[in-house]
Amino acid sequence: RKEVEQDPGPFNVPEGATVAFNCTYSNSASQSFFWYRQDCRKEPKLLMSVYSSGNEDGRFTAQLNRASQYISLLIRDSKLSDSATYLCVVNGGSSNTGKLIFGQGTTLQVKP
Amino acid sequence: AAGVIQSPRHLIKEKRETATLKCYPIPRHDTVYWYQQGPGQDPQFLISFYEKMQSDKGSIPDRFSAQQFSDYHSELNMSSLELGDSALYFCASSRIGATNEKLFFGSGTQLSVL
Repeated sequence: RKEVEQDPGPFNVPEGATVAFNCTYSNSASQSFFWYRQDCRKEPKLLMSVYSSGNEDGRFTAQLNRASQYISLLIRDSKLSDSATYLCVVNGGSSNTGKLIFGQGTTLQVKP
Repeated sequence: AAGVIQSPRHLIKEKRETATLKCYPIPRHDTVYWYQQGPGQDPQFLISFYEKMQSDKGSIPDRFSAQQFSDYHSELNMSSLELGDSALYFCASSRIGATNEKLFFGSGTQLSVL
């Protein structure tokens, strides 16, 4: 079983749709959580950190449920430019240092 | 702002050859991470260095070695290359102790083993 699991998709949605991605992680000692975005053959880029209280950045909302070891990302009013792979990322240790563990990514395709 | 610099961008090698990938972290970042991403796969952690010492080790084959130098740049040395080593190799850097520290990735080196 992978340490970070995501539904690989693909999610095909029309412009303007709301789409939600889910992720579960197995290491209960993990302290830091992120969503990264990766375009084809490009490097992963940080989309947003995920905090216990939930956080929002424009059209993007991230939620963390430590008890269930579950992370989510909600994208509202999808744009064509949101088409990419979204990687759920978890710190691999019990501190805020150290390697990040990536999920396999969820592919989003926004269509006109 | 300065980003993580990786070189070369592309590298073509034959089986059993050696390859060296270089990474220059963001200034004042003290930690470097190496990741390998095969086609259609998620990035897999290989190894990391903090203040020039190995800090963590992942699924790095024994044929690979890496080090971080006094100027904080890092090199990943790969020997006896195999076809399965063909992948995108990303380097990332961070600054230990930063609040909720994040990793910033370079553009990657595409290694093709023929």
